[in-house]
Amino acid sequence: DQQVKQNSPSLSVQEGRISILNCDYTNSMFDYFLWYKKYPAEGPTFLISISSIKDKNEDGRFTVFLNKSAKHLSLHIVPSQPGDSAVYFCAARFNFGNEKLTFGTGTRLTIIP
Amino acid sequence: ETGVTQSPTHLIKTRGQQVTLRCSSQSGHNTVSWYQQALGQGPQFIFQYYREEENGRGNFPPRFSGLQFPNYSSELNVNALELDDSALYLCASSPGKKVSTFGSGTRLTVV
Repeated sequence: DQQVKQNSPSLSVQEGRISILNCDYTNSMFDYFLWYKKYPAEGPTFLISISSIKDKNEDGRFTVFLNKSAKHLSLHIVPSQPGDSAVYFCAARFNFGNEKLTFGTGTRLTIIP
Repeated sequence: ETGVTQSPTHLIKTRGQQVTLRCSSQSGHNTVSWYQQALGQGPQFIFQYYREEENGRGNFPPRFSGLQFPNYSSELNVNALELDDSALYLCASSPGKKVSTFGSGTRLTVV
């Protein structure tokens, strides 16, 4: 049972344009969502997060949007840069209990110069 | 602050053997979690330790076990290795209920 889904395995975007990565979840008990970025041979690096009480969180070029009614979140990167090429994982967590993260399968983003 | 360090980086084991993977967390990071990432998949939660006690477990059999030590290091032990255990094993730590910092992982290959 895949509770967090990233339906696009890959995405190519021109440098300078906006990259939009999508994530859907099925468990309405999730109340904290995170995006991690992963380069080859490295561990996931935290990028940005959002609590379920918000619908938007912005940090520089990165913005995460949360639509609770649709159980959908998205990560916007603008403008996209070549260094953004990586695999992006969406993850979700409960606000109670332990720190278990439930990850999606990832989207490989390629920025075309 | 030294981040999260995992050792070894790569390992090849034979089916049926046992393996121990190690993780060294940052000082003050009293929560450590282990994840298994199979090829083409997202990381899957194995278990978590908080102040040296297991604090939650994912859908993994008992042959996956762990330890956390007072010096913020931890171990993941896997007994009776199977071919499907081949994966990247990630350690993540945090100072309580904060965002986890991941290590670079150990690539385990079972032949």
